[in-house]
Amino acid sequence: ILNVEQSPQSLHVQEGDSTNFTCSFPSSNFYALHWYRWETAKSPEALFVMTLNGDEKKKGRISATLNTKEGYSYLYIKGSQPEDSATYLCAKVTGANNLFFGTGTRLTVIP
Amino acid sequence: NAGVTQTPKFQVLKTGQSMTLQCAQDMNHNSMYWYRQDPGMGLRLIYYSASEGTTDKGEVPNGYNVSRLNKREFSLRLESAAPSQTSVYFCASSEIRAPTDTQYFGPGTRLTVL
Repeated sequence: ILNVEQSPQSLHVQEGDSTNFTCSFPSSNFYALHWYRWETAKSPEALFVMTLNGDEKKKGRISATLNTKEGYSYLYIKGSQPEDSATYLCAKVTGANNLFFGTGTRLTVIP
Repeated sequence: NAGVTQTPKFQVLKTGQSMTLQCAQDMNHNSMYWYRQDPGMGLRLIYYSASEGTTDKGEVPNGYNVSRLNKREFSLRLESAAPSQTSVYFCASSEIRAPTDTQYFGPGTRLTVL
């Protein structure tokens, strides 16, 4: 069992606030880290794939950083909007090319 | 493009009954996957098919069988359903089975076993 942990489990922010959450994983046998966005009643949707230590990715107001040596990734949302409300999942890829998912951070943006 | 489709959306079974969950993708992807999602746990891989004609066990394969019918379709079968198999099942596909390849998910099947 590979423990990918995400924190916090859930958070509520006001519209316009910036926020961030964490994905922690064992640093050994690291091949890639995936971030997904999962809205209620929809399918998980890919946000980023990150591979290199120090990687930074950005898509609009959402960005992510990766530290493979210490085993963590941060996801940042700048100026949160109600449509950002979703569960954000991270998944580590090991040498077997399987994704091991965390339990997600559930974000609620209050208008 | 419909992407990844799954049928049925919902199903209720009695313990011991069998059923097959269907999954199809229209993206010409080589690799397909079945996951289950349980409360308080991350998505867990049941089985995958790296390419047409091959299938392999994932993290939690017990109680399931799969068939890669052709390049488009990958089905998951429960031969004798148990209450522990109550879950939401997701099918996914990717172009190839590589660490950086994005997996595209279907809408899920919510299964309850009584």
